[in-house]
Amino acid sequence: SQKIEQNSEALNIQEGKTATLTCNYTNYSPAYLQWYRQDPGRGPVFLLLIRENEKEKRKERLKVTFDTTLKQSLFHITASQPADSATYLCALGYNNNDMRFGAGTRLTVKP
Amino acid sequence: NAGVTQTPKFRILKIGQSMTLQCTQDMNHNYMYWYRQDPGMGLKLIYYSVGAGITDKGEVPNGYNVSRSTTEDFPLRLELAAPSQTSVYFCASSYGGQSADEQYFGPGTRLTVT
Repeated sequence: SQKIEQNSEALNIQEGKTATLTCNYTNYSPAYLQWYRQDPGRGPVFLLLIRENEKEKRKERLKVTFDTTLKQSLFHITASQPADSATYLCALGYNNNDMRFGAGTRLTVKP
Repeated sequence: NAGVTQTPKFRILKIGQSMTLQCTQDMNHNYMYWYRQDPGMGLKLIYYSVGAGITDKGEVPNGYNVSRSTTEDFPLRLELAAPSQTSVYFCASSYGGQSADEQYFGPGTRLTVT
């Protein structure tokens, strides 16, 4: 069965640094890969989507890469701020409407 | 737009009781979904719907039922509550299919079964 691993449950970094979050998967490569942000007690909020034929996607301070050979996606937040502190979820999407979420990485940005 | 709304926010059920979790979206989205999120685990898809009158099972459908009589509403029914159904439930919607389109999530319903 498909397994999704997001690097370490928690990641602590200093304000201004770049945060890099990892999403690794086994078996089938997804057609799409999405990243969401989730704050405590709230529903996830969509950030970025990248397709299997795309290598990289950017949005403001966010960047996502997708390597189907390594079966890995990297999610970067540059010039991180304390307001970026949250849990970040990766989700693998397949063309049959199947979508699987990782458990998430809790990011803390310290001032 | 209110987006996706869910009621109730919290609920405690006794084993064997039943209840309906309500979900409404005002974005005229075709696709709607129900997920559960357990501590330290990813969201798991329970049921989804591609339009009014059409529903399908997701990864963990046992113990749940859904209906989709209108585009706006997608209630989730628990018939015989069990402790294993203690979780946070999220409803979501999207314009296109879930894989290829961003999903909009509701605020969640925290359910405890004792």
